[in-house]
Amino acid sequence: GAVVSQHPSWVICKSGTSVKIECRSLDFQATTMFWYRQFPKQSLMLMATSNEGSKATYEQGVEKDKFLINHASLTLSTLTVTSAHPEDSSFYICSARDLVRDRDDYGYTFGSGTRLTVV
Amino acid sequence: RKEVEQDPGPFNVPEGATVAFNCTYSNSASQSFFWYRQDCRKEPKLLMSVYSSGNEDGRFTAQLNRASQYISLLIRDSKLSDSATYLCVVNTRGAQKLVFGQGTRLTINP
Repeated sequence: GAVVSQHPSWVICKSGTSVKIECRSLDFQATTMFWYRQFPKQSLMLMATSNEGSKATYEQGVEKDKFLINHASLTLSTLTVTSAHPEDSSFYICSARDLVRDRDDYGYTFGSGTRLTVV
Repeated sequence: RKEVEQDPGPFNVPEGATVAFNCTYSNSASQSFFWYRQDCRKEPKLLMSVYSSGNEDGRFTAQLNRASQYISLLIRDSKLSDSATYLCVVNTRGAQKLVFGQGTRLTINP
């Protein structure tokens, strides 16, 4: 089945610095990649939808200048958390679907997530 | 009102018990329905899709009632390895994004 590789798995950074998270679709082309954030004991909340070759679509309340998304190719999307603060500490997960091989009922494939801690 | 609402849990049941989770969704345009399983500090993984006719996969049975906008998941003969958070997930017609319920935490006790 489809595989999405996400790196890094965890990162600790100082407040005010920027962190880049990468997601790659390994065996399929991901025209669209979704970025989620999950705080402890809460569900996944969609932050933005990343489209190859165009600007990302951000959900209401998500600052596009703080969470920079770049979908440079059909297999790579990156999320950069700029000027990170402790309240940005969370579990960030990307997701995509192989539209060529997967039927609607196969759901979406998720990256393994990145646990960000800002100190 | 949240777009997808689930039983808050947590559920603590003995091994071998049958447990049922419920979920309701508010958007009548919702088209695809899923149950995902998420282990602690891990990404969600698809457990099963949910169809109007109901579907079964081993010990797991999912049901969808479109009229009531209600989804259920039944786990029979529960195992210790079933301990996880179960997420009810909905996809709206014409949109690609998934909407997640808050999840129900299940612990199976020996």
